[in-house]
Amino acid sequence: DAKTTQPTSMDCAEGRAANLPCNHSTISGNEYVYWYRQIHSQGPQYIIHGLKNNETNEMASLIITEDRKSSTLILPHATLRDTAVYYCIVRVVGGNNRKLIWGLGTSLAVNP
Amino acid sequence: DVKVTQSSRYLVKRTGEKVFLECVQDMDHENMFWYRQDPGLGLRLIYFSYDVKMKEKGDIPEGYSVSREKKERFSLILESASTNQTSMYLCASTGLTVLAAFFGQGTRLTVV
Repeated sequence: DAKTTQPTSMDCAEGRAANLPCNHSTISGNEYVYWYRQIHSQGPQYIIHGLKNNETNEMASLIITEDRKSSTLILPHATLRDTAVYYCIVRVVGGNNRKLIWGLGTSLAVNP
Repeated sequence: DVKVTQSSRYLVKRTGEKVFLECVQDMDHENMFWYRQDPGLGLRLIYFSYDVKMKEKGDIPEGYSVSREKKERFSLILESASTNQTSMYLCASTGLTVLAAFFGQGTRLTVV
């Protein structure tokens, strides 16, 4: 699996959009980009994933650059409950590769 | 609502004790994983299982064993607990076609 690089920490004002970047410059054509978040003392929670196209769900939007070497997770109206560590992961789906390789993520602090 | 349930949120055990951590999922997922999470080290894979009675070592299997007798249940065993196994333990599951991993709430184990 390709490795990802994320900033260690970020701040965001409540009600504003939080834009979390992720660099995955060695991503392969068959690797998806996944985002998870982990609120303090809980298990990680799946947010969204994508391959090439931008994706949106009820939690967030995922913007993937055309060359797929980076992506941005957007929380459109951050709330205090969005304070968490956000992980960006790339993985091949199916085949014999079943593991997820986790980095240290971005610690997002949403401030009142 | 999909669920991965870990048997305990908090556990305190003595050095040398045999410890069982249980994980149950209700999604009929093929793959199940055990991770440990320590500050500054992120999530590290201990063992995973892709089928009943099948298991593979992850990145840090030493001092641990696992058991998967039924599809829905994956147990992590610390044969002789040591203080360096004090950690947060997280169980996760994925299906063959389900792209997201679902996590349990975690078990915070303290070995004294």
